[in-house]
Amino acid sequence: QVQLQESGPGLVKPSQTLSLTCSVSGGSISSGGYYWTWIRQHPGKGLEWIGYIYASGSTSYSPSLKSRVTISVGTSNNQFSLRLSSVTAADTAVYYCARGSVDSSAVSWGQGTLVTVSS
Amino acid sequence: EIVLTQSPATLSLSPGERATLSCRASQSLSSFLAWYQQKPGQAPRLLIYDVSNRATGIPARFSGSGSGTDFTLTISSLEPEDFALYFCQHRSNWPPILTFGGGTKVEIK
Repeated sequence: QVQLQESGPGLVKPSQTLSLTCSVSGGSISSGGYYWTWIRQHPGKGLEWIGYIYASGSTSYSPSLKSRVTISVGTSNNQFSLRLSSVTAADTAVYYCARGSVDSSAVSWGQGTLVTVSS
Repeated sequence: EIVLTQSPATLSLSPGERATLSCRASQSLSSFLAWYQQKPGQAPRLLIYDVSNRATGIPARFSGSGSGTDFTLTISSLEPEDFALYFCQHRSNWPPILTFGGGTKVEIK
């Protein structure tokens, strides 16, 4: 059973870069068959897909965030990361990391972490 | 761009009643359609994947159906723990772009 855990600062100042890490256990990021993704949820709102990374290193991002987002495999074992630059209050949200299967619509989610953008 | 529209926004029902939630797509979809349950302060929980497959540990009272642009999540007899927010989600073939519906809140009448 894969488990995912987000970590990073809960408070980021406007114009700075939001950086989060997802630690994965029970499955290897480098093996095929799965993609690794970030999703966010604004307070009291719906879900917004941010982007994904595959074992090969290929990525794709939401068009609305593409100019500010980078998803990469972490330097430590079995982690992947999200960087979102030039943040504003509109980026305040719960950020989830998740694992999706390449051959189904099933997605396994981390518990999520609230990031607030405020000075 | 695919848009998923869920209806109704709120469903007021009593325990034991049947709940029928709709997810309508702006264009015909593949079978990569999933449903999630979310409770306050919790991450979404996978209920149904690939239109009609129950995830591990999900009770049989939850079922999914549909094709093309119309998909349905049915809860045959509501239990107290089923009152929550429900989302549908589509995944494009490749790259795996995820699209979410706006959600249906199932509340106690």
